[in-house]
Amino acid sequence: HVQLVQSGAEVKKPGASVKVSCKASGYTFTDFYMHWVRQAPGQGLEWMGWINPYSGVTLYSQRFQGRVAMTRDTSISTVYMELTRLRSDDTAVYYCARGGSGTYDWFDPWGQGTLVTVSS
Amino acid sequence: QSVLTQPPSASGTPGQRVTISCSGSSSNIGSNTVNWYQQLPGTAPKLLIYRNNQRPSGVPDRFSGSKSGTSASLAISGLQSEDEADYYCAAWDDRLNGWVFGGGTKLTVL
Repeated sequence: HVQLVQSGAEVKKPGASVKVSCKASGYTFTDFYMHWVRQAPGQGLEWMGWINPYSGVTLYSQRFQGRVAMTRDTSISTVYMELTRLRSDDTAVYYCARGGSGTYDWFDPWGQGTLVTVSS
Repeated sequence: QSVLTQPPSASGTPGQRVTISCSGSSSNIGSNTVNWYQQLPGTAPKLLIYRNNQRPSGVPDRFSGSKSGTSASLAISGLQSEDEADYYCAAWDDRLNGWVFGGGTKLTVL
C-alpha cells in the first residue's frame, strides 16, 4: 500500500536551517507530485509547495519563496524539504503529502508529520 | 487569515446531519474543484472528499460534498462519535498560483 514515512522531530535555533525527508513506497515514485504542508501548534494547514519527482521542477508558495528548497533522490524514492533562516513562528508539524499526476489533484496520502521546534 | 472561510466550530448529536461551509472567491473555488480533509486528534490529515463530491474508497457514504459558485459544503449524515475531528477545505488558487486551505472547522459530537 502507499506509504509516506518522514524523518524524526528536530529542534533548531533561530537562524538555522532544517531538512526534513519523506520516503515513499508502494507506488511509482516519479509518477506523482509531492507536496509539503505545515501546521503550526493549534493552527490550520498551510501549503508550502510541490516538487515533481520525475523532473525535479518545483513550485513554492510565495510565502516561502527564497527560504525553502524541495529536492528529491529518485534512487531511494525520497523527497526533501529544507527551510532556511528559521524563526520561532516556523515551529510547526511539517507534512509531506502525495499529489496526483497533475498539479491540481488532491493530497492523498499524507506522511505522519515531522515536528520542527525553533527555539533559542 | 485564511483565503477560504470556514466556521471555526460545528456540533451535532449522534444521528444528526451537520453541514460545514467553505467560502472562497472566483480565483479559487469559483474556478477550481474543492477537496476536503479530516484530521482526527493527534493525527495527520486524511482525504475525505475530492473533486467537489467524490469519495475515496473506504470513506463512508455518510460524507458528501457539494459546490455552488464560490462556495462549497461538506455534509455529514448519521453523525457518529468518531466523526469528532477538524475538517479542512482546500482549492487551487489561480491568482496566488498555489493551494489554499480554509481555517478548519472543529466538529464536536455532543
